[in-house]
Amino acid sequence: EPEVTQTPSHQVTQMGQEVILRCVPISNHLYFYWYRQILGQKVEFLVSFYNNEISEKSEIFDDQFSVERPDGSNFTLKIRSTKLEDSAMYFCASSETLIAKNIQYFGAGTRLSVL
Amino acid sequence: GIQVEQSPPDLILQEGANSTLRCNFSDSVNNLQWFHQNPWGQLINLFYIPSGTKQNGRLSATTVATERYSLLYISSSQTTDSGVYFCAVVRAGNMLTFGGGTRLMVKP
Repeated sequence: EPEVTQTPSHQVTQMGQEVILRCVPISNHLYFYWYRQILGQKVEFLVSFYNNEISEKSEIFDDQFSVERPDGSNFTLKIRSTKLEDSAMYFCASSETLIAKNIQYFGAGTRLSVL
Repeated sequence: GIQVEQSPPDLILQEGANSTLRCNFSDSVNNLQWFHQNPWGQLINLFYIPSGTKQNGRLSATTVATERYSLLYISSSQTTDSGVYFCAVVRAGNMLTFGGGTRLMVKP
């Protein structure tokens, strides 16, 4: 079964550093998403992306965050200057269609630890 | 925004027991998914079920959209069922809103 792939599985960084989290969505999918989960809390939406543009974003997704699809397969989340509170599990997801009635498939996540 | 409440927050079962997990949501939805988060943190799709009933092995789910709730049934539970079960919904657009989860522990 096709799957969403995320790398790295664990990233450790110093506060103030830039990090890039990488995702390879399922190949025929058109919508891409990032979510995050702070340890012990619920999963929260960050951003959705379609046709090389952000289609929705939450208030968590401030100027420190950016997303990009640099080529035909990768989808990245960049955090410009990491803070301690950015420590969380970050999930990438993708879905096939444009409408709301569609299944989002999640990757295994990248655990980000900011020291 | 839409509110998603899950109950119970914690559940401990003996292996072989059955259980029902509940998800209530505050408004009509276009999409509802159930996930299992395993001990390694992975989110595994269980069901896409905006309405009706589906079954997959020992798991089944029912969503009553008009009454704004969904139920996940686990029968003959196994230790590998342990983890956190999340319900998530889409009200509009494509943003999934997650509930707080039910943490399940199945003891041998």
